[in-house]
Amino acid sequence: KAGVTQTPRYLIKTRGQQVTLSCSPISGHRSVSWYQQTPGQGLQFLFEYFSETQRNKGNFPGRFSGRQFSNSRSEMNVSTLELGDSALYLCASSLGPGGNTGELFFGEGSRLTVL
Amino acid sequence: SQQGEEDPQALSIQEGENATMNCSYKTSINNLQWYRQNSGRGLVHLILIRSNEREKHSGRLRVTLDTSKKSSSLLITASRAADTASYFCATDRGSNYQLIWGAGTKLIIKP
Repeated sequence: KAGVTQTPRYLIKTRGQQVTLSCSPISGHRSVSWYQQTPGQGLQFLFEYFSETQRNKGNFPGRFSGRQFSNSRSEMNVSTLELGDSALYLCASSLGPGGNTGELFFGEGSRLTVL
Repeated sequence: SQQGEEDPQALSIQEGENATMNCSYKTSINNLQWYRQNSGRGLVHLILIRSNEREKHSGRLRVTLDTSKKSSSLLITASRAADTASYFCATDRGSNYQLIWGAGTKLIIKP
């Protein structure tokens, strides 16, 4: 069974640009969550999607957005990039929403560097 | 804001010794999960303990949960170099809430 796939794995952007990250969950999983991880702030929740609906959203500005498609694949977009957006962006999938159905399965992450 | 808080923030021990990490949280939970993250990689689920459980084992891992103190501990016995990683706890308050993550404990196993 294939794991969670995130693309691209590494990318470099400049301030003001926008970026789109993709996440393909494990087959059969309908919930996808996104996290931002930085050395200073730790693991910060961005948003969660379940069956194409955003269920929860973290405390991030509107420049951060996401969506989920009917096949459960998800994308997140960051517009008008700032230096502080440099981070490892992690996607996790699970069978159901929240943590109630058990473990999250994480991808390897997309490491974004903003210059 | 994060509900979970791990301590210590960093722990360095000799290979073969036991490592204990703690996690505290603030509100009632349905379950608590522990994850491991090798440097720069994704997180890997280790163990889930439900609020009505007090102790759970998985291989060399032992997790305890004290809901009266709102705390959990993760014990890794007979540590190995491959256990070098960051360990995170995550608390689940129910399906209407996202998991709340601690800041993690960085564990270094010295050969």
